[in-house]
Amino acid sequence: DTGVSQDPRHKITKRGQNVTFRCDPISEHNRLYWYRQTLGQGPEFLTYFQNEAQLEKSRLLSDRFSAERPKGSFSTLEIQRTEQGDSAMYLCASSLAPPSSYNEQFFGPGTRLTVL
Amino acid sequence: GNSVTQMEGPVTLSEEAFLTINCTYTATGYPSLFWYVQYPGEGLQLLLKATKADDKGSNKGFEATYRKETTSFHLEKGSVQVSDSAVYFCALRSTGTASKLTFGTGTRLQVTL
Repeated sequence: DTGVSQDPRHKITKRGQNVTFRCDPISEHNRLYWYRQTLGQGPEFLTYFQNEAQLEKSRLLSDRFSAERPKGSFSTLEIQRTEQGDSAMYLCASSLAPPSSYNEQFFGPGTRLTVL
Repeated sequence: GNSVTQMEGPVTLSEEAFLTINCTYTATGYPSLFWYVQYPGEGLQLLLKATKADDKGSNKGFEATYRKETTSFHLEKGSVQVSDSAVYFCALRSTGTASKLTFGTGTRLQVTL
């Protein structure tokens, strides 16, 4: 499978615990995006990387959230001291960077987080 | 800021019926417009796109035309199938360097026999 993969697919945790999600993008894609999708809503942008550089973070990304892409390949999203409001589907997407005209974002299956 | 407004669902149609899902947007500059589809238990898939005014995106019998004058990108299909049952998201990509997507809330389509 050469698509975007995410691990784990599901995570159940207790409030106050830390969780970490992983995203493996399509190998030749230099851009990687994280989005969050809550029930009944569309995905909302959280942050993105170009290669290993994190270039933008949404105001939705509180201090408890941190994302890395250390070697410009896979990325991790960590949530510290989880809260019930963090329960959502966390989506990863990858693309080529402009000026490539083939810069559509391809999405992974998501990690569904439930905070009890 | 950028925003996308979609008609609320669910939309329930009989097989072979005509489908329209309305989408309007607010954005600065000249965004690209997309329809993504999410089948049950699967990730978001790009259905079609249009990058400039009057462009028509099409795929799998679905079509949408980028209308700058009405800031709309309505999704249409002439004859839906049960297999089209899914959630459809309209999205725009800003013209800034981030190229991040702004999504609508999604419209669930249920097609019955």
